[in-house]
Amino acid sequence: GAVVSQHPSWVICKSGTSVKIECRSLDFQATTMFWYRQFPKQSLMLMATSNEGSKATYEQGVEKDKFLINHASLTLSTLTVTSAHPEDSSFYICSARDGGGSGEKLFFGSGTQLSVL
Amino acid sequence: LAKTTQPISMDSYEGQEVNITCSHNNIATNDYITWYQQFPSQGPRFIIQGYKTKVTNEVASLFIPADRKSSTLSLPRVSLSDTAVYYCLVVPADTGGFKTIFGAGTRLFVKA
Repeated sequence: GAVVSQHPSWVICKSGTSVKIECRSLDFQATTMFWYRQFPKQSLMLMATSNEGSKATYEQGVEKDKFLINHASLTLSTLTVTSAHPEDSSFYICSARDGGGSGEKLFFGSGTQLSVL
Repeated sequence: LAKTTQPISMDSYEGQEVNITCSHNNIATNDYITWYQQFPSQGPRFIIQGYKTKVTNEVASLFIPADRKSSTLSLPRVSLSDTAVYYCLVVPADTGGFKTIFGAGTRLFVKA
């Protein structure tokens, strides 16, 4: 299947700093990528839809000024957590869509564990 | 958007066959049924997808009755490494602006 690379796998930062997470589709072009957030023992929560060459679409309750998304190419989307605070600590996961004519299939990155001190 | 309902958790023993059933009463004509597996601290992994009847791959089988209002993911002879959360999703063929929303999933715990 398609491969999605997410980097870094984990990051620890001080409160008030910004953290950038990269998501790359390695062997296919992804016009659309998704960013999820997941707390322990909970399901994935969709944060935003990232579209190549246009502004991201954020889900209700997600602060677009805090979670900056850039999808500058067909293989790269980035999520920047700005002025991070301890409550932003979470597991962040990206995914890319590979439709192929049948039902949508999503391929996920390995996730990024963010810990804000 | 078809809502799905699946058991919150299931226990099994190594070597047994595990069947996880998902209800999707409001499935639309152009919807596909897709299952993902997620291990702790990892992103979900696509397992299998089907539209009707039966689909089998090297990992699992997916059984879909004629009315398509439910589906059953079958894992043959599970091992400890199959302990994970399994998500059932219903997604349209024409994705367009479709957003994949995950439900609670089924936590499968395989015991020795």
